[in-house]
Amino acid sequence: QKEVEQNSGPLSVPEGAIASLNCTYSDRGSQSFFWYRQYSGKSPELIMSIYSNGDKEDGRFTAQLNKASQYVSLLIRDSQPSDSATYLCGASNDYKLSFGAGTTVTVRA
Amino acid sequence: GAGVSQSPSNKVTEKGKDVELRCDPISGHTALYWYRQSLGQGLEFLIYFQGNSAPDKSGLPSDRFSAERTGGSVSTLTIQRTQQEDSAVYLCASSLGHRYGELFFGEGSRLTVL
Repeated sequence: QKEVEQNSGPLSVPEGAIASLNCTYSDRGSQSFFWYRQYSGKSPELIMSIYSNGDKEDGRFTAQLNKASQYVSLLIRDSQPSDSATYLCGASNDYKLSFGAGTTVTVRA
Repeated sequence: GAGVSQSPSNKVTEKGKDVELRCDPISGHTALYWYRQSLGQGLEFLIYFQGNSAPDKSGLPSDRFSAERTGGSVSTLTIQRTQQEDSAVYLCASSLGHRYGELFFGEGSRLTVL
């Protein structure tokens, strides 16, 4: 079993819609959770971090964490073509950050 | 810019040759990571350095892989006797030591083993 699992996609959404990405993790000791965005041919960049149960909003992005269910999600509201990328979910219980395989999102204009 | 710098950006080598990949982290970042990303795959942890502490080498896939970090700054990942399955993008990242998970990645070194 992988430490971090993501719905593999690809996910195609129309411009202006909500994109919903899901992630589960197996290590109950994980304390910190992250979403990275990776454009094709580029390196990952951090877009969201979440440490407590509940929702965290940053602009058009909302991260949700449920530690009891070992579940993390990312919502992208008002999706734009520039949001087309692969989104990587990460979980860590210390310095070691484990990543899922990523979900590729395509926003159709 | 003051980002993480990696070299070479591309390396093509023949099976059995040794390769060295270099990473220069962001100034002031005490933590340095190496990850590997194969085509269509997520990021595979290889090794972690933090200051002068012993590195966590638990992710290195075989004894052909080694890494060092000199003076708490520049790091070199060495792959000996390369195999075709070593072909991947090798990503280096750095972070402030206490900001676990908040990694700044370099642009990667793409290794192709023929």
